[in-house]
Amino acid sequence: SQQGEEDPQALSIQEGENATMNCSYKTSINNLQWYRQNSGRGLVHLILIRSNEREKHSGRLRVTLDTSKKSSSLLITASRAADTASYFCATDARNQFYFGTGTSLTVIP
Amino acid sequence: NAGVMQNPRHLVRRRGQEARLRCSPMKGHSHVYWYRQLPEEGLKFMVYLQKENIIDESGMPKERFSAEFPKEGPSILRIQQVVRGDSAAYFCASSPGGRDEQYFGPGTRLTVT
Repeated sequence: SQQGEEDPQALSIQEGENATMNCSYKTSINNLQWYRQNSGRGLVHLILIRSNEREKHSGRLRVTLDTSKKSSSLLITASRAADTASYFCATDARNQFYFGTGTSLTVIP
Repeated sequence: NAGVMQNPRHLVRRRGQEARLRCSPMKGHSHVYWYRQLPEEGLKFMVYLQKENIIDESGMPKERFSAEFPKEGPSILRIQQVVRGDSAAYFCASSPGGRDEQYFGPGTRLTVT
């Protein structure tokens, strides 16, 4: 299936540390997006990276994309307790997006 | 500019009843997507619609589920004769174009008793 898969499934870090989560997918994509979901809430779009881009920054977020390895990583620097959430990658295949099962990030104050 | 709105936020139905979930996209957005999220799982694509057209419904179960996005009014996801396995959070997202960022609503949590 096209579904993105995040790794690790769960991550727990101290406030101030960096958090890195990875996403792998199976077929060619047009773009890859990262979303955040706080418990019981809707998803919030974080960042979109196109297939011809290798790296993108947005505030404390840094996303890389390696199309040869079919993988992406999301780095959150100087984490805060408010970053505690689930993070999903979504890959664009034709008319639809496929979401992985997410990485659950806990930032300990 | 109001975000994507979904209602109701919570819906409880008995087995065999019908569930109607509504989604109002962001102003200016003509593309709507529906996703389902089962407990402890990721989002699963269900259907992609533009105004008055279903573009891709490959993620929709073949029976009991239908979706529409009329020229006027919200997009509706309809589940007939609900079963316990339909209990999930249903998210709607909208975008201005087919390849743009999707903006998600808060979701409707459906519980089938």
